[in-house]
Amino acid sequence: DAKTTQPTSMDCAEGRAANLPCNHSTISGNEYVYWYRQIHSQGPQYIIHGLKNNETNEMASLIITEDRKSSTLILPHATLRDTAVYYCIALYSGNTPLVFGKGTRLSVIA
Amino acid sequence: DVKVTQSSRYLVKRTGEKVFLECVQDMDHENMFWYRQDPGLGLRLIYFSYDVKMKEKGDIPEGYSVSREKKERFSLILESASTNQTSMYLCASSLLDLATKETQYFGPGTRLLVL
Repeated sequence: DAKTTQPTSMDCAEGRAANLPCNHSTISGNEYVYWYRQIHSQGPQYIIHGLKNNETNEMASLIITEDRKSSTLILPHATLRDTAVYYCIALYSGNTPLVFGKGTRLSVIA
Repeated sequence: DVKVTQSSRYLVKRTGEKVFLECVQDMDHENMFWYRQDPGLGLRLIYFSYDVKMKEKGDIPEGYSVSREKKERFSLILESASTNQTSMYLCASSLLDLATKETQYFGPGTRLLVL
């Protein structure tokens, strides 16, 4: 699985969009980009995944660059409950064992 | 609503005790996983299972064993608990079918303290 690089931490004002970047320059053609988050003292929670096209669901949007070397997770209207550590992972399949890096600690501020 | 449950949220055990951590999922998933999470080390895979009575070692299986007698239940066993096994233990499950690109669903975690 390709290595991913994320900023250590970010702040976002409540109600604004949170844009979380991820670099995955060594990603292979059939590896997906998955995003999970972990709220303090809880298990990780799946957010979204994509291969080439941009994706959107009820939680977030995923923008993948055309060369697939980086992506951005967008939380359109961040709330205090979105404060968590966000993990970006490159995988062939989401049901194989996961390897989480250190992720980005997002703090949503009132 | 999909659900993965773990038997305890918090557990305190003594060194040398045999410890059982239970995980149950109600989604009829074939795959089940046990991870541990430690500050600065991220999530590490201990064992996983793709079917009943089947198990595979992950990255850090030493000191642990597992049992999968029924599809919905995956147990992690610490044969003789040691202080370096103090950690957050996370169970997850997913479908087997790779074509679906399905995701993993995690339980709430068990925070184990070994004294």
